[in-house]
Amino acid sequence: NAGVTQTPKFRVLKTGQSMTLLCAQDMNHEYMYWYRQDPGMGLRLIHYSVGEGTTAKGEVPDGYNVSRLKKQNFLLGLESAAPSQTSVYFCASRPTGFNSPLHFGNGTRLTVT
Amino acid sequence: AQSVTQLDSHVSVSEGTPVLLRCNYSSSYSPSLFWYVQHPNKGLQLLLKYTSAATLVKGINGFEAEFKKSETSFHLTKPSAHMSDAAEYFCVVSVDSGNTPLVFGKGTRLSVIA
Repeated sequence: NAGVTQTPKFRVLKTGQSMTLLCAQDMNHEYMYWYRQDPGMGLRLIHYSVGEGTTAKGEVPDGYNVSRLKKQNFLLGLESAAPSQTSVYFCASRPTGFNSPLHFGNGTRLTVT
Repeated sequence: AQSVTQLDSHVSVSEGTPVLLRCNYSSSYSPSLFWYVQHPNKGLQLLLKYTSAATLVKGINGFEAEFKKSETSFHLTKPSAHMSDAAEYFCVVSVDSGNTPLVFGKGTRLSVIA
């Protein structure tokens, strides 16, 4: 049982390049989330999904797009990367129920030069 | 709207002494509360959660937290710190079934001195 898997683990991009981060969960969770973590800022929510085919904006959505075509996958896209998007990105999932905890992936470290 | 405040951005303790990491929350509804730990260059791991069954919650690695509604607090404690406890700790609140995302505190970095 892999839990939440993020690919890739590391990536270096040049300004203006695009890329997609993949998050896959095998726990049949309904909700999925993308966060970014920067020093001193804690975790900030980028986008989230409450079910297959649905997405919603979080706290810092600008410059990112997401898709949830399959329940187990949540993709985060950067269309034109900027140095300000250098960060560690975490995906998380949780089942329904307000007392259900988040399950996190191990993160993707992205550097934009 | 709900919010979470972690009162200390950095706490330093000596090995073998007690740990106290403070968290206050604000919520219009009865919340669920969680503590997560993040070791360097790792993902976040659930330490414990409060879901109204008991006000004193025991978690992994000897940590526990007490829910105090009158003080709107959910402080994390451990009787005796170990070097391996050095990490970042996050307090998190949830108030509904999931349509509203969980709210994270900004984290407390715990240093343990030998």
